Amino acid sequence: GENVEQHPSTLSVQEGDSAVIKCTYSDSASNYFPWYKQELGKRPQLIIDIRSNVGEKKDQRIAVTLNKTAKHFSLHITETQPEDSAVYFCAASITGNEKLTFGTGTRLTIIP
Amino acid sequence: AAGVIQSPRHLIKEKRETATLKCYPIPRHDTVYWYQQGPGQDPQFLISFYEKMQSDKGSIPDRFSAQQFSDYHSELNMSSLELGDSALYFCASSLLESERSWELFFGEGSRLTVL
Repeated sequence: GENVEQHPSTLSVQEGDSAVIKCTYSDSASNYFPWYKQELGKRPQLIIDIRSNVGEKKDQRIAVTLNKTAKHFSLHITETQPEDSAVYFCAASITGNEKLTFGTGTRLTIIP
Repeated sequence: AAGVIQSPRHLIKEKRETATLKCYPIPRHDTVYWYQQGPGQDPQFLISFYEKMQSDKGSIPDRFSAQQFSDYHSELNMSSLELGDSALYFCASSLLESERSWELFFGEGSRLTVL
């Protein structure tokens, strides 16, 4: 089955700086890669996603890049703000079997 | 817009008791997924249903069972509860016959505490 690894497990950045979280996956058939933001005790909220026919996608301060050859994808948050503090999960799935396999999460702390 | 509804939101049980969690997917969604998230852990896939049939099975203990009913709501039944079953249980739904069939919509979760 799919295995998703995520690094780092914790990340602290100064407000206004950029944050980068990286994930690797094992199943080359995976073709959908969402990123979720989860606040304590709340449900995962989809913040951005990318499909394997696209190398990069951007939505305001958030961007995701995908290297299908290397089987890794990254989340980039620019101009970080205190409200960006949360746990972020990457995930992977295969079209036709939409079960998500999650990474182990990154606790992002934005230092004011 | 209607979202995925889970009930109860909080549940406290004793060891060896039984618990049932319910999930009402977004109207017209045909697929339901159950995830278990332990404290400080990533969500782990338990089981999924497509059109009322089990479509995939993950790390669901034999003590657990689930089904999807004719109205597409799903129930997760957990018996002989153990302390380690204490977790946040998420239900998610999707519509496979849509342009974004891969997108899962999560409910708020049901927090089970086993004492």
